[in-house]
Amino acid sequence: QVQLQESGPGLVKPSETLSLTCTVSGGSLSSYYWTWIRQSPGKGLEWIGYIHYSGSTSYNPSLNSRVTMSIDASKNQFSLSLSSVTAADTAVFYCARRTQRCGRTICYAYFDYWGQGTLVTVSS
Amino acid sequence: DIQMTQSPSSLSASVGDRVTISCRASQTISSYLNWYQQKPGKAPKLLIYAASSLQSGVPSRFSGGGSETDFSLTINNLQPEDFATYYCQQSYSTPQTFGGGTKVEIK
Repeated sequence: QVQLQESGPGLVKPSETLSLTCTVSGGSLSSYYWTWIRQSPGKGLEWIGYIHYSGSTSYNPSLNSRVTMSIDASKNQFSLSLSSVTAADTAVFYCARRTQRCGRTICYAYFDYWGQGTLVTVSS
Repeated sequence: DIQMTQSPSSLSASVGDRVTISCRASQTISSYLNWYQQKPGKAPKLLIYAASSLQSGVPSRFSGGGSETDFSLTINNLQPEDFATYYCQQSYSTPQTFGGGTKVEIK
């Protein structure tokens, strides 16, 4: 059974960089896109971006200039950095696996495994 | 960005009821639509992918339908464990976007 677990500081100061790591167990990083999604208190879900095992990335343009993702296959981990944070970045951050299922001519993608989430508060 | 609009934002229902939640995309997304269930303090759980395909392990009382811009999630014979918030999500293009959620509460 694939399991994901987020780790990192729960409190970050304004203007600093938020750094989180997701450790994957029960499966390999290969062949998947590994995703970060956040949920602000009482609000909906926002896709931050994802990174492929190969290292290719796709980020949400709304955060693009502040986001960096990396992957460490040797540790079965992938990471998120979000720079210049403000109070608006306070949220529960989830890591998730993006699975792609393909038929003959079409592929569908979805997030099938999620971490439990970690609350990151931005405050001085 | 593709905007996903869910309705209603909340509803009250009783155990045994049939419930339908709607999701509308701001542009056509074919069948690139997923549904998730989220309970308080928990991560979302995948229910339906590709608009109508039931994820493994999900009870058959959940079903999805629709295509292009209009989609629905139906829960037949609502069970106590189904009271939660439901989100749709488009996987047609990046940025991937979610609907605002529909909270299903006990009447």
